[in-house]
Amino acid sequence: EAQVTQNPRYLITVTGKKLTVTCSQNMNHEYMSWYRQDPGLGLRQIYYSMNVEVTDKGDVPEGYKVSRKEKRNFPLILESPSPNQTSLYFCASSLSVGVAEGYNEQFFGPGTRLTVL
Amino acid sequence: RKEVEQDPGPFNVPEGATVAFNCTYSNSASQSFFWYRQDCRKEPKLLMSVYSSGNEDGRFTAQLNRASQYISLLIRDSKLSDSATYLCAVRAGGRRALTFGSGTRLQVQP
Repeated sequence: EAQVTQNPRYLITVTGKKLTVTCSQNMNHEYMSWYRQDPGLGLRQIYYSMNVEVTDKGDVPEGYKVSRKEKRNFPLILESPSPNQTSLYFCASSLSVGVAEGYNEQFFGPGTRLTVL
Repeated sequence: RKEVEQDPGPFNVPEGATVAFNCTYSNSASQSFFWYRQDCRKEPKLLMSVYSSGNEDGRFTAQLNRASQYISLLIRDSKLSDSATYLCAVRAGGRRALTFGSGTRLQVQP
């Protein structure tokens, strides 16, 4: 089954304790992205990756790191989490980012609900 | 001004009603437009792309108005199962990322 998976789905942690949220897709997609979703603010992009070893900042990258060592995996790292990073996080992937139809559809993972105390 | 704006709602409509949402975007170089549906506490899923000429998929019709910089979603004969949050997404020319609106919540009532 084609899908994007994220782990963990739920996490409660404390300020300053490093954590990693994993994301994996089995569709051989080039483009992967991380978003956070907060009430009233919608989905905001944190980081994205065009392909292996190619990553770039989105709109709200502060406090986050990513890596893309393999095409299918795109982990999100919080080196020193803070309470303002409490949010719902989504990983997404798409075939590419070309203008042609079908390239832009983003498939989302099920989400990770993170609480930082 | 936000790059992509939506009325948060909620829109409360009876079953069978027709309801329309708009989504405005500020970047005139935007090239790709989409409507996503998000159920409570779930991930967004693509509902439909929005083509320049407008497009229809069953009870759903999407339209693009480049002159006024907005896209619209029309839902006819609303079903209880249409209750969800509808997110618009826009990709500007030269940018890689999709920018999402904060969503419009629809509640269809029996």
